[in-house]
Amino acid sequence: DAGVIQSPRHEVTEMGQEVTLRCKPISGHDYLFWYRQTMMRGLELLIYFNNNVPIDDSGMPEDRFSAKMPNASFSTLKIQPSEPRDSAVYFCASTLGLVVGELFFGEGSRLTVL
Amino acid sequence: GQQVMQIPQYQHVQEGEDFTTYCNSSTTLSNIQWYKQRPGGHPVFLIQLVKSGEVKKQKRLTFQFGEAKKNSSLHITATQTTDVGTYFCAVMDSSYKLIFGSGTRLLVRP
Repeated sequence: DAGVIQSPRHEVTEMGQEVTLRCKPISGHDYLFWYRQTMMRGLELLIYFNNNVPIDDSGMPEDRFSAKMPNASFSTLKIQPSEPRDSAVYFCASTLGLVVGELFFGEGSRLTVL
Repeated sequence: GQQVMQIPQYQHVQEGEDFTTYCNSSTTLSNIQWYKQRPGGHPVFLIQLVKSGEVKKQKRLTFQFGEAKKNSSLHITATQTTDVGTYFCAVMDSSYKLIFGSGTRLLVRP
């Protein structure tokens, strides 16, 4: 299995631009999570989906952030407009049922907003 | 919401020395997971503990879950340079969200 695939691996953009991060979970996994990692705040859960439906988005920082999962094999995290404080590594992770528990993380998307 | 405290924040050891990181919760946990993140890498699952007082070993790594299921530890015997990274505990809150501790960064002097 190829694992969780994220793109782009690196993104440098200017403040005010739209940023779209993409994730392909492991085939068959029914839960998908988006985390953000910074030195100051550590690993923060932004949102998670079950069977393509958003279950909890209480970690989404503000309306500038949105996430979708149009099908079982694809999810996006969009920031519009981006700000310098959004600079972070964004991880996508998937798992098969919460009872199993183990999260499989993608390699992350490092975002720098100038 | 669910919070878990992890200590220490950093530990710098000489290769061959032991290392321990601790996670503490104010509430009883259903289970606890441990992850390792190498520098520049992504978190990788190590283990999950479920039972009160549970002890699990993976080669030089020993994981413990407290009797009250409110704390856990990860102990590495005779560290090696390959152990370098950040170790996170993670717990699930009542909304099935996996919440990560702040992590302990391990540095190993060769």
